[in-house]
Order: sequence, then structure tokens, then C-alpha cells
Amino acid sequence: QVQLVQSGAEVKKPGASVKVSCKASGYTFTSYDINWVRQATGQGLEWMGWMNPNNGNAGYAQKFQGRVAMTRNTSISTAYMELSSLTSEDTAVYYCARVISQRAGYVGYWGQGTLVTVSS
Amino acid sequence: DIQMTQSPSSLSASVGDRVTITCRASQAINNYLAWYQQKPGKVPKLLIYTASTLQSGVPSRFSGSGSGTDFTLTISSLQPEDVATYYCQNYNSAPLTFGPGTKVDIK
Repeated sequence: QVQLVQSGAEVKKPGASVKVSCKASGYTFTSYDINWVRQATGQGLEWMGWMNPNNGNAGYAQKFQGRVAMTRNTSISTAYMELSSLTSEDTAVYYCARVISQRAGYVGYWGQGTLVTVSS
Repeated sequence: DIQMTQSPSSLSASVGDRVTITCRASQAINNYLAWYQQKPGKVPKLLIYTASTLQSGVPSRFSGSGSGTDFTLTISSLQPEDVATYYCQNYNSAPLTFGPGTKVDIK
């Protein structure tokens, strides 16, 4: 079965960077886009961007342009999301999510989420 | 960018009630609209895609409709396990924005 297992919780200081991993199993990693979505406590879902694991192409929401990078290591079926210049407003649960079909952008498989806390 | 709005932001209904949530896109999105359910403390779950197609395994009391810019999620008979926040999402074009969510609870 499709599984996405994310790395553990992180605590970072303002100005630092964080890199969250998302290890995929149960399917061919390079065949389906991975999206990243975050959710601050008590808030809604915020789409951050997508990455094509086959060719490494990525697209980011304008809000994160310049300080986010979505990459992958195909040899270990793992996607990464790195966010830099962290502020307290980046405190949130970060999810990776896989599209159901490569022909459509909606996601149907989610990682368990990674809590990133930014605090001095 | 396409903006997504939802109404109401929250609602309280009785078990067995028919519940309707509306989602509006700031421009036409060709029915590339998905609905997700997120229960407290849980990961979001896909309910509906292409505005009206029920994801496998989702109870038939959930249905979606609409086209262009205006969409609706309906729960035909609200059950206690439906307590959750519901989000719509545009996947017609990036950014794949979510609506702000509608919180549903039991009266």
C-alpha cells in the first residue's frame, strides 16, 4: 500500500532553515508528483508547491518563492522540502502528499505530518 | 492567482440533517475542484474530485456538484463521524489554493 513517512518534529531558531523528508513506499516513486502543504495550529491548509520526482521539476506558491526548495533522491524514494529564513509564522505542521493520478493535481495520499516549531 | 472562498465558515446541525457547504473560485476552474475532510488531529482525507466524483470508499451520503466558479458539497444525512473541517481545493492551475475551511459539528 502507498505510504509516505515523514521525518520527525523540528525546533528551529528564527533565521534558520529546516529540511523535512518524506519517504515513499508501495509505488513507483518517480511516477507521481509530490505536493507540500502546511497547516498552522488551528488554521487551514496552505499549499506550498509541487515536485515531479521523475525530472525534479518543481513549482512553488509565490509566497514561498526564494526561500523554499523541493528536491528528491530517487535512489531512496525520498522527497525533501527545505524552507529557509524561518520566522515564527512558519511554525506549522508540514505535510507531503501524493497525487492520485499524474494527470490530475488533487492529492489522495498524505504523510503523517512534521511539526516545525520556530522559536528563539 | 485563483482565490477560493467557502461558506459558511462553521455550522452546527443535528444528526440526520442535510448539510450543504459552498465553495466559490475567483475564476472558472473547469471543474478541477476537490473536497477534503479533516477530522480533529488527523490528516486530511480526499472525498471528492472533479467537483462531483466520489473517491473510492467514501460514503454515498457525500456528494459534490457545481461547475465554473460555484461548487457545493452536500452531506445528505449528517452522522456523528462527519464532525470535521471541510476544505475545497482548486487544482486547475497553480497555486493549488485551498478554501479557508468549513467546520461542521453536531448540534
